[in-house]
Amino acid sequence: DARVTQTPRHKVTEMGQEVTMRCQPILGHNTVFWYRQTMMQGLELLAYFRNRAPLDDSGMPKDRFSAEMPDATLATLKIQPSEPRDSAVYFCASGFRDTYYGYTFGSGTRLTVV
Amino acid sequence: AQSVTQLGSHVSVSEGALVLLRCNYSSSVPPYLFWYVQYPNQGLQLLLKYTSAATLVKGINGFEAEFKKSETSFHLTKPSAHMSDAAEYFCAVSAGGSQGNLIFGKGTKLSVKP
Repeated sequence: DARVTQTPRHKVTEMGQEVTMRCQPILGHNTVFWYRQTMMQGLELLAYFRNRAPLDDSGMPKDRFSAEMPDATLATLKIQPSEPRDSAVYFCASGFRDTYYGYTFGSGTRLTVV
Repeated sequence: AQSVTQLGSHVSVSEGALVLLRCNYSSSVPPYLFWYVQYPNQGLQLLLKYTSAATLVKGINGFEAEFKKSETSFHLTKPSAHMSDAAEYFCAVSAGGSQGNLIFGKGTKLSVKP
């Protein structure tokens, strides 16, 4: 089965450090999403890309978060500097332009900022 | 704007009993609706989707959902619960009908008692 691959699966870092999370979408998918999951807020959309171009990043704190797709096989989410409130599970999902087929989620990166 | 409300953050059923997880939506365009399941420490897995075809949708693991426009509902059911169904279930609506990101409900955690 094709899958979305996220690395690392777990990350513990100290406040103020830079964190980079990576996502390899399913080959051929042209739409990539970044979601954040916390107990308090549930699943929140941070950003999404179509054909590598950012379409919406309004859910992302611009001062510290950045998302990019350097090529069609890699999406990155960077936090600099990290803060304890960034502790969450970050999910990447990919799909086709039309949501008809739904989207496929990766297993997530569990980030803990101490 | 589109939104989803899941009634009941926790639902507990006995093994063999009916499972009913409630979801109501709000959408300014004909909605595409989804149910996802999340097992502990895993990503989200698509259970089923409604994309304006049949109103009764069958998914994996014996789940089904019925789209009721008059009630703006898309409740998830399963006739007989298994222990393996214990997980968190998320209802989602597509932000832009057939396109765009998914907007998720807060989730319902299903417990199954032996």
